[in-house]
Amino acid sequence: SAVISQKPSRDICQRGTSLTIQCQVDSQVTMMFWYRQQPGQSLTLIATANQGSEATYESGFVIDKFPISRPNLTFSTLTVSNMSPEDSSIYLCSYLSGEAKNIQYFGAGTRLSVL
Amino acid sequence: GQNIDQPTEMTATEGAIVQINCTYQTSGFNGLFWYQQHAGEAPTFLSYNVLDGLEEKGRFSSFLSRSKGYSYLLLKELQMKDSASYLCAVSDYKLSFGAGTTVTVRA
Repeated sequence: SAVISQKPSRDICQRGTSLTIQCQVDSQVTMMFWYRQQPGQSLTLIATANQGSEATYESGFVIDKFPISRPNLTFSTLTVSNMSPEDSSIYLCSYLSGEAKNIQYFGAGTRLSVL
Repeated sequence: GQNIDQPTEMTATEGAIVQINCTYQTSGFNGLFWYQQHAGEAPTFLSYNVLDGLEEKGRFSSFLSRSKGYSYLLLKELQMKDSASYLCAVSDYKLSFGAGTTVTVRA
């Protein structure tokens, strides 16, 4: 599997500000995803990051709040905009392997605290 | 949509066997995955089932019955390092996760 890295690993932010999280894969991958994991809960898919087109958002998530970029096949960013304490969470990116099993591999996550 | 249920917590003794059940109701199905997640770390892939039956991978095995909407993950010869959260996830090309089962292994 390819190596996936995410940064920052953690951050503490003030309400009303924005944070951009970067996700880098060391080889080209077709599909990348962004998830949120709130404290003590499981992973919820935010959106699918599509290369060369707008991201596909899941119900409850909107582009104005979580703009996503996917400029090429190895890189994506997620911005958490106009943050509030409710946005405190772990944000994870993943990519879909090219194998037949369609396994998703995850980055280590970004632990965000909003004060 | 997807509805995925698994127990919240399980405790077992080192060297023992633990079975984590997962039931699901989904609008689409392209496979069932199990991930392991240690506290503060990324989920790591454990196993994948798309056809009915048992898949064995060392100390870990996973079973699927599509007609029953049921899967289990079997952890054998438990070690302290197996203490983690185990996530059941159903794929319809996107992954939907259950809430996770926290397994605590005691000496």
